[in-house]
Amino acid sequence: QKEVEQDPGPLSVPEGAIVSLNCTYSNSAFQYFMWYRQYSRKGPELLMYTYSSGNKEDGRFTAQVDKSSKYISLFIRDSQPSDSATYLCAIRGKLIFGQGTTLQVKP
Amino acid sequence: EAGVAQSPRYKIIEKRQSVAFWCNPISGHATLYWYQQILGQGPKLLIQFQNNGVVDDSQLPKDRFSAERLKGVDSTLKIQPAKLEDSAVYLCASSSRGDGNEQFFGPGTRLTVL
Repeated sequence: QKEVEQDPGPLSVPEGAIVSLNCTYSNSAFQYFMWYRQYSRKGPELLMYTYSSGNKEDGRFTAQVDKSSKYISLFIRDSQPSDSATYLCAIRGKLIFGQGTTLQVKP
Repeated sequence: EAGVAQSPRYKIIEKRQSVAFWCNPISGHATLYWYQQILGQGPKLLIQFQNNGVVDDSQLPKDRFSAERLKGVDSTLKIQPAKLEDSAVYLCASSSRGDGNEQFFGPGTRLTVL
């Protein structure tokens, strides 16, 4: 079993849609969870991070952790074409990345 | 603030040849990482340096891969000899601390092994 699993997509949505990106993880000891965004032919950049359970909001982005089900989510409200990228969940420490979900937002 | 620099951006070689990648981290960042990202996958950590010492190289294929960080600043990653399965993007990242806090990534070197 992989330590972090993520549906690779691709996911295609119309502009303005609410997007939900999800990951599951295997080790209940994990505490810090991160979301990176990677544009084509660029390195990943940190989008958000959360500690333990709960929600964290930053503008149109909300990160959510459910430790009871080992499930982490990233919600994007009012999605824009500029949000088209690959989104990688990661476990902090020795950074362990999920496979990444490719998102396309169509105008 | 200048970001992480990597060169070359692209490299095409034939199998069994050798190749080297260079990384210049953000000034003052003590921790430097090399990742391998195969197409369609997330980055996989190859090696982590703290200053010029190796912290973690458990996933580095040491029979063909080597890395060094002389003087605790720039770093080079070498593959010798290359195999077809080494085709990937090699990402360098740096951070101010080594506990997994925000890492800043370079643009990567895209390696194609023919």
